[in-house]
Amino acid sequence: AQSVAQPEDQVNVAEGNPLTVKCTYSVSGNPYLFWYVQYPNRGLQFLLKYITGDNLVKGSYGFEAEFNKSQTSFHLKKPSALVSDSALYFCAVSYPTGGGNKLTFGTGTQLKVEL
Amino acid sequence: DGGITQSPKYLFRKEGQNVTLSCEQNLNHDAMYWYRQDPGQGLRLIYYSQIVNDFQKGDIAEGYSVSREKKESFPLTVTSAQKNPTAFYLCASTPGGQGGKKLFFGSGTQLSVL
Repeated sequence: AQSVAQPEDQVNVAEGNPLTVKCTYSVSGNPYLFWYVQYPNRGLQFLLKYITGDNLVKGSYGFEAEFNKSQTSFHLKKPSALVSDSALYFCAVSYPTGGGNKLTFGTGTQLKVEL
Repeated sequence: DGGITQSPKYLFRKEGQNVTLSCEQNLNHDAMYWYRQDPGQGLRLIYYSQIVNDFQKGDIAEGYSVSREKKESFPLTVTSAQKNPTAFYLCASTPGGQGGKKLFFGSGTQLSVL
């Protein structure tokens, strides 16, 4: 079964410092990988996705993620964190074939950016 | 504005009662999804529909029912058989077809038990 793991419940970082939110996946074949962000009491907003091609994917709000097949990872990164980046971040994976576009989500990582 | 509208924002259920959560989209998307969000557990798929008049169970379908009579609408009924319904419910949609498309989410409904 496809799954993703987010090993950290919470990540704390100082404003201006680089941030990394970790995600590893477990799925056969070539996965489609996504990052979403959620602000309190709101729906999820799409940040970026990896389908194929360049392993470094750039997305919204200055975020990027690197697909690493050998380590089965898709970590989310940003060179310089902002207080406004504080939110709940979800990694997700979908089947390459069959099942349409339904996503399996990780448990989420709370990012807190402090002044 | 194009998007997904979920209503109500807050909903309270009495014991033994069925309640229905509304999800409407004007994006002309073929596929729609219902997810349940619990603190620390991420999102779990309840039901999904890839085309009108067809839907499939997700990972946690027990105690829930859906219908897809119109392309724009995918209501979720939380039945009395769902013993722990308190959660944040999210509806989403995609254009359908092959995988790799992003999901568009509504703003959610918080369901609580009285």
